[in-house]
Amino acid sequence: SQELEQSPQSLIVQEGKNLTINCTSSKTLYGLYWYKQKYGEGLIFLMMLQKGGEEKSHEKITAKLDEKKQQSSLHITASQPSHAGIYLCGADIQGGSEKLVFGKGTKLTVNP
Amino acid sequence: GAVVSQHPSRVICKSGTSVKIECRSLDFQATTMFWYRQFPKQSLMLMATSNEGSKATYEQGVEKDKFLINHASLTLSTLTVTSAHPEDSSFYICSARDGVMKTQYFGPGTRLLVL
Repeated sequence: SQELEQSPQSLIVQEGKNLTINCTSSKTLYGLYWYKQKYGEGLIFLMMLQKGGEEKSHEKITAKLDEKKQQSSLHITASQPSHAGIYLCGADIQGGSEKLVFGKGTKLTVNP
Repeated sequence: GAVVSQHPSRVICKSGTSVKIECRSLDFQATTMFWYRQFPKQSLMLMATSNEGSKATYEQGVEKDKFLINHASLTLSTLTVTSAHPEDSSFYICSARDGVMKTQYFGPGTRLLVL
């Protein structure tokens, strides 16, 4: 079974719209990482969250880790075509481990 | 900062040959590097964890004699796919862990096609 569940699997939005992607774990998230990937390319690091309730923002992207540290959300405000890609969450679910497990990703399409 | 390069980006080889993929951290030292495999529309599958100066740790189900990993320095790890077969065709991605930032930074990936 998948240790990290991402939802939705895919998302199509109109440029300018806000959107949210979720990452849920059945285990405690000791470190939660958001990456963006374009097809056939590597992953671009977006943000890392470690503390329950933590929230970080970069440009128009905000990520939160809930208090119980079992779910994270990624919110994009006023989406642009440049936001299109596959968003992956990765997590340390062992506590202090350098290894990450990943969700299957959310494919985002932004129509101009 | 935090740039990881991977070479080659794309390789086509004949069945039975070996292919070496290099992963380099360009602006930081990485005591730990990771090798992943990604299938279309699937998540990243961790193959092995590579530590500088020691043997790699392989995930369950990954053949260590098939996928040879060498972590010769704090900035270089190599993955060699030995006696490659068509089922080894895939997208291979490496990452390097920045111990200071406690973050994995990924290379651009290598697409391997075995004919």
